[in-house]
Amino acid sequence: TQLLEQSPQFLSIQEGENLTVYCNSSSVFSSLQWYRQEPGEGPVLLVTVVTGGEVKKLKRLTFQFGDARKDSSLHITAAQPGDTGLYLCAGARTNAGKSTFGDGTTLTVKP
Amino acid sequence: NAGVTQTPKFQVLKTGQSMTLQCAQDMNHNSMYWYRQDPGMGLRLIYYSASEGTTDKGEVPNGYNVSRLNKREFSLRLESAAPSQTSVYFCASSERPVHNSPLHFGNGTRLTVT
Repeated sequence: TQLLEQSPQFLSIQEGENLTVYCNSSSVFSSLQWYRQEPGEGPVLLVTVVTGGEVKKLKRLTFQFGDARKDSSLHITAAQPGDTGLYLCAGARTNAGKSTFGDGTTLTVKP
Repeated sequence: NAGVTQTPKFQVLKTGQSMTLQCAQDMNHNSMYWYRQDPGMGLRLIYYSASEGTTDKGEVPNGYNVSRLNKREFSLRLESAAPSQTSVYFCASSERPVHNSPLHFGNGTRLTVT
């Protein structure tokens, strides 16, 4: 049973387009993190959200944590080829000591 | 500052062989983790160590053992490798338990079992 479901699984767009990827669960998390992974490397943290309804912006990336802390979204404005990669969400619960990862969204931005 | 260092980067094993994957972090982090990543799938937790001296099973612990050698080092051992263990293995560390502290990953060990 996949605790965190990400959609879409694959996304291929042209440079300049906007996109949204989703991370959904039936479980409540105390925090949710988004990571970006490039081929041959480990994931790198983009953001952590902890409060229901929280919105965080990182340049052209906007992250939102759902009010009920069960889901999250990542919106990219005016995508660039450098945004290409695997985007992973990971949820954690207080005192659990570990995170659960979604299966990821593979984004390709074509010049 | 190297962060999280994994060795080896690549390894090919025959079925039944054993090996140990090494991981070291230089950030003075308390918690360390081993994940595996398979094509089309996210990261699945094998084992983790919330603090020096403790280890716990993750989602997919069967066929693996771990040792938290000291605060810096956390090794993963395959006693009798199987083709199903072909994967990319990532070690990670965090300053505190992950619900309030991000994971820092190494660059992975690519393991093939024939």
